[in-house]
Amino acid sequence: EVQLVESGGGLVQPGRSLRLSCAASGFTFDEYAMHWVRQAPGKGLEWVSGMSWNSGHIHYAGSVKGRFTISRDNAKNSLYLQMDSLRPEDTAFYFCAKDLFDIFTGLDSWGQGTLVTVSS
Amino acid sequence: EIVMTQSPATLSVSPGERATLSCRASQSVAINVAWYQQKPGQAPRLLISAASTRATGIPARFSGSGSGTEFTLTISSLQSEDFAVYYCQQYNTWPPITFGQGTRLEIK
Repeated sequence: EVQLVESGGGLVQPGRSLRLSCAASGFTFDEYAMHWVRQAPGKGLEWVSGMSWNSGHIHYAGSVKGRFTISRDNAKNSLYLQMDSLRPEDTAFYFCAKDLFDIFTGLDSWGQGTLVTVSS
Repeated sequence: EIVMTQSPATLSVSPGERATLSCRASQSVAINVAWYQQKPGQAPRLLISAASTRATGIPARFSGSGSGTEFTLTISSLQSEDFAVYYCQQYNTWPPITFGQGTRLEIK
């Protein structure tokens, strides 16, 4: 069974940094692209960033480009999101999601999310 | 950026009836569209990929159709557990991958 468990969320002041982690199990992690998707409370889904299986494709939403950095450690079956220069509008639940394939397609498994609150 | 527009924003349907949800892309995305269901307090769940391919474990009452710019998710006979928010997503042209704003399916 595929499991994705996010951690690292919390309350942070504007301008500060936070690093999210996603621990993956139940599938061959290094064969699939992985993504971060966020959802502000009561709002819709927003794709944040994605990384192909071999890190050959790394992309970001315009709203986070230059501030967020996605990375993966295939040896540890883990995905990360380094979030710098956080803004109040970054407040959201952040979901880790597995792609159907090794490149960007549909997202067939999701974690339960970790809440990031950016506020002074 | 490709904009995905879902309609209606809210759909009221009685249990046992058919629900039809629409999604329009701002430019052609071929068949590179997925549909998701999200219930309160839960993560989204993949229903359909490649416009019409049901994901593993998804009941046959869920079906997807369309290509180019017009897509439809149909739920043939609504069950109580189907009332939720539904999102479409395109993955034809990225970055970014984009989602529609969602359709809330509520009990009539």
